[in-house]
Amino acid sequence: DGGITQSPKYLFRKEGQNVTLSCEQNLNHDAMYWYRQDPGQGLRLIYYSQIVNDFQKGDIAEGYSVSREKKESFPLTVTSAQKNPTAFYLCASSLRTGRRGYTFGSGTRLTVV
Amino acid sequence: GQNIDQPTEMTATEGAIVQINCTYQTSGFNGLFWYQQHAGEAPTFLSYNVLDGLEEKGRFSSFLSRSKGYSYLLLKELQMKDSASYLCAVRDRDDYKLSFGAGTTVTVRA
Repeated sequence: DGGITQSPKYLFRKEGQNVTLSCEQNLNHDAMYWYRQDPGQGLRLIYYSQIVNDFQKGDIAEGYSVSREKKESFPLTVTSAQKNPTAFYLCASSLRTGRRGYTFGSGTRLTVV
Repeated sequence: GQNIDQPTEMTATEGAIVQINCTYQTSGFNGLFWYQQHAGEAPTFLSYNVLDGLEEKGRFSSFLSRSKGYSYLLLKELQMKDSASYLCAVRDRDDYKLSFGAGTTVTVRA
């Protein structure tokens, strides 16, 4: 069965470190997205990509970076410039006009220690 | 851009009905989605509306009025497992990405 896989499920980061969250999909979806979720704030868009080798900033891109070298993969790097990185990170993919909207990965919970 | 509003919390009794309202203001509309999210888990798809009217799927129904910028999700015959957060999301007409409301936490009591 096709799906979208995020890893790791839990991640701990020390102050000043960069960390990379993995997101892989085998749904043949063109578009991929990264969202951040904080308690009581819903999902906020970090970056998205609609085709390989192209991506756009979302509403809260500062302190994050992405790449889209392959259709299946859209890794997110949380850099040391992100001052408050502790959150639940969700990756999603979609067809452009599908009736189901996004398919989500299971999420990565990042904690700064 | 999108501005999406939904209530923060709702409480209902097992077996009852609950209606979660969502209002939106959008520069371009290409469909409205409802997702269910249990604590610590990923959202899962519930329903999709792109034309005005009611979509029914088992115990869940969703309604859309594009002229009013309004949707609701109706949960019938509530079960304890329905305790979750319900997210309203609007798809942009131009770039197809979803914008999400903050979510409504529904608590089902015995």
